Amino acid sequence: DGGITQSPKYLFRKEGQNVTLSCEQNLNHDAMYWYRQDPGQGLRLIYYSQIVNDFQKGDIAEGYSVSREKKESFPLTVTSAQKNPTAFYLCASSIFQGSSGNTIYFGEGSWLTVV
Amino acid sequence: QKEVEQNSGPLSVPEGAIASLNCTYSDRGSQSFFWYRQYSGKSPELIMSIYSNGDKEDGRFTAQLNKASQYVSLLIRDSQPSDSATYLCAGPLRGSNYKLTFGKGTLLTVNP
Repeated sequence: DGGITQSPKYLFRKEGQNVTLSCEQNLNHDAMYWYRQDPGQGLRLIYYSQIVNDFQKGDIAEGYSVSREKKESFPLTVTSAQKNPTAFYLCASSIFQGSSGNTIYFGEGSWLTVV
Repeated sequence: QKEVEQNSGPLSVPEGAIASLNCTYSDRGSQSFFWYRQYSGKSPELIMSIYSNGDKEDGRFTAQLNKASQYVSLLIRDSQPSDSATYLCAGPLRGSNYKLTFGKGTLLTVNP
């Protein structure tokens, strides 16, 4: 099946620990994204990548890092510098279709909790 | 002013009624808009996209785009309890082909 796979679905992080969230897509989409959603809040963009080996910061990049070594993969590392990492993390990918715009599709999400 | 705003909600409608969800946007140059449905604890799911002025229908859902007034709406006919979710409006971020900006969402509850 085509889609976006995020793992793990649930993750617990100890204080001072780095953790990495995996995101893989087989939709052949060029662009990939990471969003963060806090309870009752909207989506905030962390990082995005339009092509392999290139990525840009979003609105809340501090304390996070990404890589885009393959078209299919866009892992997110939550570093110890991120002081309030407990949230729902959403990976997404998109295909730009001219006048139809940039349609973004989401993975199932990963819940990160600091313990 | 936020680029995409959803100010209404939460919204509660009886089963079988029409639910109307609204969104305004600030960038007159924006061409395409999207509606996502998000069930509690789940990821957003694309339900409609619209880029032409007027109405676009898909089953019980109708998206409406009015570029002159800069608003987008989503109508859900014959609302069902399974439609109870948060609905997110999204549009392109000014100056970017790749980034979408999302509204905060409208929580819809359909009462049996």
